[in-house]
Amino acid sequence: DVKVTQSSRYLVKRTGEKVFLECVQDMDHENMFWYRQDPGLGLRLIYFSYDVKMKEKGDIPEGYSVSREKKERFSLILESASTNQTSMYLCASSPGQGSQRRYEQYFGPGTRLTVT
Amino acid sequence: DQQVKQNSPSLSVQEGRISILNCDYTNSMFDYFLWYKKYPAEGPTFLISISSIKDKNEDGRFTVFLNKSAKHLSLHIVPSQPGDSAVYFCAASARRTSGSARQLTFGSGTQLTVLP
Repeated sequence: DVKVTQSSRYLVKRTGEKVFLECVQDMDHENMFWYRQDPGLGLRLIYFSYDVKMKEKGDIPEGYSVSREKKERFSLILESASTNQTSMYLCASSPGQGSQRRYEQYFGPGTRLTVT
Repeated sequence: DQQVKQNSPSLSVQEGRISILNCDYTNSMFDYFLWYKKYPAEGPTFLISISSIKDKNEDGRFTVFLNKSAKHLSLHIVPSQPGDSAVYFCAASARRTSGSARQLTFGSGTQLTVLP
């Protein structure tokens, strides 16, 4: 089974703090994704990465950056946290083009971030 | 501009009856559709999918129907069980040029409650 783990389940930070959210997958997946989930808005893509050191902006990248130095690890960085970044953050991974399951994304349990 | 819409935020169904969850999309470039299920405090889990070249896919109690001309898909659960109570997200995928990553666009979700 694919396992995607996230470093924290709950996090409380102050406005202006730098925040790191870490995600690790153990299935050698090429692609990794960061989403945020808000009530009534579903999951919105922040950034994704299709290879080590490669990244692309999703639909709502403003205020976020990412880092992928190793294939299994994808980090989301909030350079200066703001209250409107209070949300549930979900990490996901997916296999490469050669896989029958290339369309499926496998999610971690999420990090509930509160910025006060 | 929501490209994937789930217009019913909630649905209640009696145990043993059929649950029908609906999803509409606007982007004609979507060529693969997925349904995810999410329990509280957990990440979404993949449930069932369908390619745009098909109009139906069945897996046990779950069937997904795709009507391309209407840009509409639905998830049928028969018979519904209390354990099916969860938020269901519809997602759609379009081919991208960035590596092998397949970006998913999610709907806002429908909370299904199956009453014993």
